Amino acid sequence: QKEVEQDPGPLSVPEGAIVSLNCTYSNSAFQYFMWYRQYSRKGPELLMYTYSSGNKEDGRFTAQVDKSSKYISLFIRDSQPSDSATYLCAMSASGTSYGKLTFGQGTILTVHP
Amino acid sequence: GAGVSQSPSNKVTEKGKDVELRCDPISGHTALYWYRQSLGQGLEFLIYFQGNSAPDKSGLPSDRFSAERTGGSVSTLTIQRTQQEDSAVYLCASSLGLGGRNEQFFGPGTRLTVL
Repeated sequence: QKEVEQDPGPLSVPEGAIVSLNCTYSNSAFQYFMWYRQYSRKGPELLMYTYSSGNKEDGRFTAQVDKSSKYISLFIRDSQPSDSATYLCAMSASGTSYGKLTFGQGTILTVHP
Repeated sequence: GAGVSQSPSNKVTEKGKDVELRCDPISGHTALYWYRQSLGQGLEFLIYFQGNSAPDKSGLPSDRFSAERTGGSVSTLTIQRTQQEDSAVYLCASSLGLGGRNEQFFGPGTRLTVL
């Protein structure tokens, strides 16, 4: 079983829809939680970063972390065709992991006009 | 400013050949990471550098893989005697320092195809 599980989709939604992306994890040492967006043939770019549990909002994006359930989510409001990409959750432990990121498989999202 | 750059962007090689992949991190970033992205395995961690030192090489898939960093800047990932299962996108990332609090900035990757 992988340390981080993410439904690969693909997910197809109409423009303006609310998108919900999720990951579950098994390693309780994870303290830092990130969502990356990756366009085709590009490197991942950081969208959201959350430390420990809680919610964080940035524009149309909201990240939620529930450490008790080992579950994280990314919500995209008013989705746009430009949001079409692969979304990767990533996590990092404190202590001796030295910032090593453990990624989910990625969810392919298509927002159609 | 300039982001992380990687070269070559694409590399096609024959099974059994050696390849070298290069990463130029963002200036001033002391930490550098190598990851591999493949269809079956997703994005997996290979190795990290703090300065020129790589304290943990356990993420490298086999002893055919090695990496070095010189001058606290450029890093090279070398794969000897390439195999078809080495075909993947190799991504480099850099950050100001080590640890989860530091954002990792990724390069565009090198797409390696082993025939």
